[in-house]
Amino acid sequence: DAKTTQPPSMDCAEGRAANLPCNHSTISGNEYVYWYRQIHSQGPQYIIHGLKNNETNEMASLIITEDRKSSTLILPHATLRDTAVYYCTTGGTSYGKLTFGQGTILTVHP
Amino acid sequence: SAVISQKPSRDICQRGTSLTIQCQVDSQVTMMFWYRQQPGQSLTLIATANQGSEATYESGFVIDKFPISRPNLTFSTLTVSNMSPEDSSIYLCSVSGRERNNYGYTFGSGTRLTVV
Repeated sequence: DAKTTQPPSMDCAEGRAANLPCNHSTISGNEYVYWYRQIHSQGPQYIIHGLKNNETNEMASLIITEDRKSSTLILPHATLRDTAVYYCTTGGTSYGKLTFGQGTILTVHP
Repeated sequence: SAVISQKPSRDICQRGTSLTIQCQVDSQVTMMFWYRQQPGQSLTLIATANQGSEATYESGFVIDKFPISRPNLTFSTLTVSNMSPEDSSIYLCSVSGRERNNYGYTFGSGTRLTVV
C-alpha cells in the first residue's frame, strides 16, 4: 500500500471552502485514493474515493492530479460539524486492507 | 453501505485479564478487518479475518495476544489477551463495501478499552 503524507493540522472559517491536500507519490496504478474522517473517537466515516478522475458527491469533491501522486479533498462550505481528523489513504480494488497515515486535524472556526 | 454493530462500546479491565470484542455485520462479507487506535494516534491494522481460515496478522501483532474468530460471514471476534495498560486503545472492526460494488469501507463505532 502506498504511503500518504498530510499536513498535521489546518484551520478553516465556517462557510468557506476547506482544501485538504494529500501526497501519495508511491501509489500504484490500480490503487484508489480514499478519504475518511473521524470525529472525536467515533469510527472513521467514508467521504469519497477516486482512481484518476475528479469525483464529487454530496459531501465533498476529490481532485486527483494527472500523475496521481497527490490529491485534494474539498469541502465546499465548511461547517463547525466538519471539525474532525481527515485521513487520506490508498487501497486496491479487491478486498484489500487500508493503511492510514497520521491524518489532518481540520478545525472549522466561526 | 454495511451496518456494523460492535460491542462492548467501552470497558475498563484489570491487567492480566482478557476481553473479547464482537463485531456483527448486517450482510455477508468476505473479509473483516480489525484496527487499533492508541490515544492520539492514527489507526493501525491488527489483522484481516477471513471466514474459514486463520486470520492474517500485521507486523507487530501475534495470534497469542490478539486471537480472532470468524465463524461465519457476518460475525467476528477479537480478543485482547493478558492485558496491560499499554493495550488501552480504541479497537475497531471494518468491512469493505466491495462486495456491494461500493468501494467505501465501513467501520464500527469502536470499543474503547481502558486497562488499569
